[in-house]
Amino acid sequence: QVTLKESGPGILQPSQTLSLTCTFSGFSLSTYGMGVGWIRQPSGKGLEWLANIWWDDDKYYNPSLKNRLTISKDTSNNQAFLKITNVDTADTATYYCARPHFGYFDFWGPGTMVTVSS
Amino acid sequence: DVVMTQTPVSLSVSLGNQASISCRSSQSLLHSDGNTYLSWYLQKPGQSPQLLIYLASNRFSGVSNRFSGSGSGTDFTLKISRVEPEDLGVYYCFQHTHLPLTFGSGTKLEIK
Repeated sequence: QVTLKESGPGILQPSQTLSLTCTFSGFSLSTYGMGVGWIRQPSGKGLEWLANIWWDDDKYYNPSLKNRLTISKDTSNNQAFLKITNVDTADTATYYCARPHFGYFDFWGPGTMVTVSS
Repeated sequence: DVVMTQTPVSLSVSLGNQASISCRSSQSLLHSDGNTYLSWYLQKPGQSPQLLIYLASNRFSGVSNRFSGSGSGTDFTLKISRVEPEDLGVYYCFQHTHLPLTFGSGTKLEIK
């Protein structure tokens, strides 16, 4: 059974760095073809893909966030991470991690809400 | 970036009737490997999105056969037959043929 769960700071101030953790079970990031992706959704709005990391440490980012993103993984502990630097109010959103299976996201976490406010 | 245009923005359907949602991409989603990487998701109120259809027309495990996906190239359709109360929510199409990966803006399904 595949499960994912996101965790984050809840609230942070503008210009700080947002650090998110995805803890998953039911698959391993050391297995060929496995990956973890991050997607966000501002309240009442649509979905925006942010980044994917794969079993071989290949990483892909959404260029719209202009080098503010860093995705990484800890294979031993079944975790993936996303950092977003220099946040502002536009980064306020629910952040989801999901498993990309041949690219489509087949399992999603429940999401973690992040508010950027001074 | 590939722009995914969904229509309609919202639709209201009576229980038992059919709903149809269109998704058009600004570039062909046919990959050089022969696959078309278009998937559909339903986000029920207060929940995370759930996968319905992958590779344009394949139902994900456990998804009702009332959901069907079709299309190729740049034009795709999700059909929901015999709409039930649990079908309400926002439907999104998503392409992962081209980077960056992109979602449609969503179609809200309401029950009349």
